[in-house]
Amino acid sequence: EPEVTQTPSHQVTQMGQEVILRCVPISNHLYFYWYRQILGQKVEFLVSFYNNEISEKSEIFDDQFSVERPDGSNFTLKIRSTKLEDSAMYFCASSAADNSNTEAFFGQGTRLTVV
Amino acid sequence: SQQGEEDPQALSIQEGENATMNCSYKTSINNLQWYRQNSGRGLVHLILIRSNEREKHSGRLRVTLDTSKKSSSLLITASRAADTASYFCATDTGRRALTFGSGTRLQVQP
Repeated sequence: EPEVTQTPSHQVTQMGQEVILRCVPISNHLYFYWYRQILGQKVEFLVSFYNNEISEKSEIFDDQFSVERPDGSNFTLKIRSTKLEDSAMYFCASSAADNSNTEAFFGQGTRLTVV
Repeated sequence: SQQGEEDPQALSIQEGENATMNCSYKTSINNLQWYRQNSGRGLVHLILIRSNEREKHSGRLRVTLDTSKKSSSLLITASRAADTASYFCATDTGRRALTFGSGTRLQVQP
């Protein structure tokens, strides 16, 4: 069964460093997303991406964040200068383009720890 | 309450019993989805119910949607220890970005 894969599974970084989280969405999906979940809290939407551009972003997704689809398979989330409060589980998701069926398929997540 | 709030926050039952979790939301939705999350793991999509549907089944899962009350319920019948997880509802208001609730932690005792 097709699945969304994320790497790395765990990333530890020093405050102020840049991190890139990687995702390979399901191959025939055209919508891509990043969500995050701070420990013990809700899953929060960060950004959606369609047709090589951001289609929507939340207030969390400030200038420190960026997304890119550098090739036909990868979808990345970059945090330019990490802060302690960026520590969270980051989930990538993808969904089909069909507007009648928008279920999102999530990866296993990358646990980001900023020290 | 915020968009997509589940209750109860925690539920502990015996294996074989049914588990019911509820979700309330505030704004109009395109669809509502239920996800499961095992501790520290990813989100697994369980079922999607569209705004024009009232009930949907998938295996031991039954989901209902009442758009007049802006609420949904997830019923897991004949629960198993392996059903132990957190369950989240997530609403799609037509923008595709999902709004998740706080989740219900289900513990099924063997």
